[in-house]
Amino acid sequence: EVQLVESGGGLVQPGGSLRLSCSASGFTFSSYTMHWVRQAPGKGLEYVSAISNEGYTFYADSVKGRFTISRDNSKNTLYLQMSSLRPEDTAMYYCVKGDDDYGDYAFAYWGQGTLVTVSS
Amino acid sequence: QSALTQPASVSGSPGQSITISCTGTSSDVGSYNLVSWYRHHPGKAPKLMIYEGSKRPSGVSTRFSGSKSGNTASLTISGLQAEDEADYYCCSYAGRSTFVFGGGTKLTVL
Repeated sequence: EVQLVESGGGLVQPGGSLRLSCSASGFTFSSYTMHWVRQAPGKGLEYVSAISNEGYTFYADSVKGRFTISRDNSKNTLYLQMSSLRPEDTAMYYCVKGDDDYGDYAFAYWGQGTLVTVSS
Repeated sequence: QSALTQPASVSGSPGQSITISCTGTSSDVGSYNLVSWYRHHPGKAPKLMIYEGSKRPSGVSTRFSGSKSGNTASLTISGLQAEDEADYYCCSYAGRSTFVFGGGTKLTVL
């Protein structure tokens, strides 16, 4: 069974940093592109970042230059290093992956999310 | 990349059918047959309901169907049930490894 478990969220001051982790199990982690999607309070879902199985990375314009996605295939773990945090980064952050049966362009598996609050 | 446009809310009575629209541009919805739909109950993880515009993942009820015309995708739910009450989001691939979500639609079952 695929499991994605996020951790690392919390309260941080504007301008601060935080590193989110996503522990993956139930599949061959190193073979899949992994994604981060977030949802601000009362808002819709927003695509944040992705890293391919080969290490290619993508960032939404809203986080480019401030967030860094990475992965440790030996630990089956996905990371999101967030710096220069802003109040508008306050959101639930979800770790997401696709599925062989449904292609690389649909998000079949989601973690429960970890909440990041940026406030003074 | 601007968010896809969805109605903020829709409602229907049990047994009825509803349709949620998702309007994008020729750079996303119009260019790719790669729209997916998600059901999101607050406090839970979103669930994939439709992928590649009209395909249903295993285990998703046949009451859910998807379609696309031009720059607009649609999700139709037939035979509404109380458990369908949730927020629904569309998402489209937009090229260059990026995806764009809709703003979400709150479905109320009356």
